[in-house]
Amino acid sequence: DTEVTQTPKHLVMGMTNKKSLKCEQHMGHRAMYWYKQKAKKPPELMFVYSYEKLSINESVPSRFSPECPNSSLLNLHLHALQPEDSALYLCASSQDPTGAWDEQYFGPGTRLTVT
Amino acid sequence: GQNIDQPTEMTATEGAIVQINCTYQTSGFNGLFWYQQHAGEAPTFLSYNVLDGLEEKGRFSSFLSRSKGYSYLLLKELQMKDSASYLCAVKGGSYIPTFGRGTSLIVHP
Repeated sequence: DTEVTQTPKHLVMGMTNKKSLKCEQHMGHRAMYWYKQKAKKPPELMFVYSYEKLSINESVPSRFSPECPNSSLLNLHLHALQPEDSALYLCASSQDPTGAWDEQYFGPGTRLTVT
Repeated sequence: GQNIDQPTEMTATEGAIVQINCTYQTSGFNGLFWYQQHAGEAPTFLSYNVLDGLEEKGRFSSFLSRSKGYSYLLLKELQMKDSASYLCAVKGGSYIPTFGRGTSLIVHP
């Protein structure tokens, strides 16, 4: 199984809503990532979990809150988002966060629209 | 910090060969990746280079020169389905890959 799954595929939420994005992998990977991608732009790194601990937070606003309940799951909790947060949110995983040859496997993404 | 540069857009004809360049400046170096991303979809891994030279994988090849901070992705026998964005990503000293802006490749019949 070389798949990263993400739910939901599409999400529309108001600025006062609270929602969560979910990501799952069963490849035994020890690093998991959240990226934000706007149209025609590269993925922007948001958070990295290494061995279930948050290792990198790229100065992301607190309205985005990551959670790693176990080695296979990664959540992104959303609260009080702004319209400019509308984007494709990609989850990725990789086998060894400190390894050089460590290709990332990406999930299909969640298309988020904030109204 | 890291700086990665690639052309914004390229066009080519079906059946032809195209080379997509990537130049980078990083603090430390632990490898360079190429990913393909079709519109609205997730990136998929194409190749990895950590030593100088050419890595060939079917119709796709990737080259690296560490001393020049330069890589290219070579696509042969282009097909319409190769129309996509091609992302160069570099792992610096932190082992976290940084993505370039991507090159949008348009293949014409």
